[in-house]
Amino acid sequence: EAAVTQSPRSKVAVTGGKVTLSCHQTNNHDYMYWYRQDTGHGLRLIHYSYVADSTEKGDIPDGYKASRPSQENFSLILELASLSQTAVYFCASRQFSGNTLYFGEGSRLIVV
Amino acid sequence: AQSVDQPDAHVTLSEGASLELRCSYSYSAAPYLFWYVQYPGQSLQFLLKYITGDTVVKGTKGFEAEFRKSNSSFNLKKSPAHWSDSAKYFCALEAGGSNAKLTFGKGTKLSVKS
Repeated sequence: EAAVTQSPRSKVAVTGGKVTLSCHQTNNHDYMYWYRQDTGHGLRLIHYSYVADSTEKGDIPDGYKASRPSQENFSLILELASLSQTAVYFCASRQFSGNTLYFGEGSRLIVV
Repeated sequence: AQSVDQPDAHVTLSEGASLELRCSYSYSAAPYLFWYVQYPGQSLQFLLKYITGDTVVKGTKGFEAEFRKSNSSFNLKKSPAHWSDSAKYFCALEAGGSNAKLTFGKGTKLSVKS
């Protein structure tokens, strides 16, 4: 069973502060993704990566940066957190195109 | 550009009835299509996928889906429905042969009344 772990699982951040969400997978998957889930919007793709040291912009990248320092790790960085970034964030990974996506448990972020 | 539409935000039905959750997509070439399920308080789990070949695909938990190129749809079906099927269901599209960008619909919340 693929394992994708996210940290922190829950966080309260102050507006204007920096937030880093981390994701670690142990299955040698090449592709990793960051999504946010909001009521009424479903899952929206923020950033993704299909190789270490390279990231791609998804559908809603503004206000977010991503970092893929190794195959196993993929971070999402909010340099200046805003109220509108309050959401649940999911990391996911998969081996290659067309394959099953494995999700982490989610990170609930509340910006106050 | 690629997009996925799930027109029904909520679907309610009685246990034992047949369920069909609608999904339509927009993409100019051959898509890869997926269904995922999210139970309350949990993360998302894979149900099934269509890549190529047989247009009716079977997945886990007794679900199946039919790919219809003629009307760009990939509806999820199960009969009979069980109360434990109550969850949120997401349809997703990947542009086949691309760099693996995977786009989800907004989801359909299914409530099965016992």
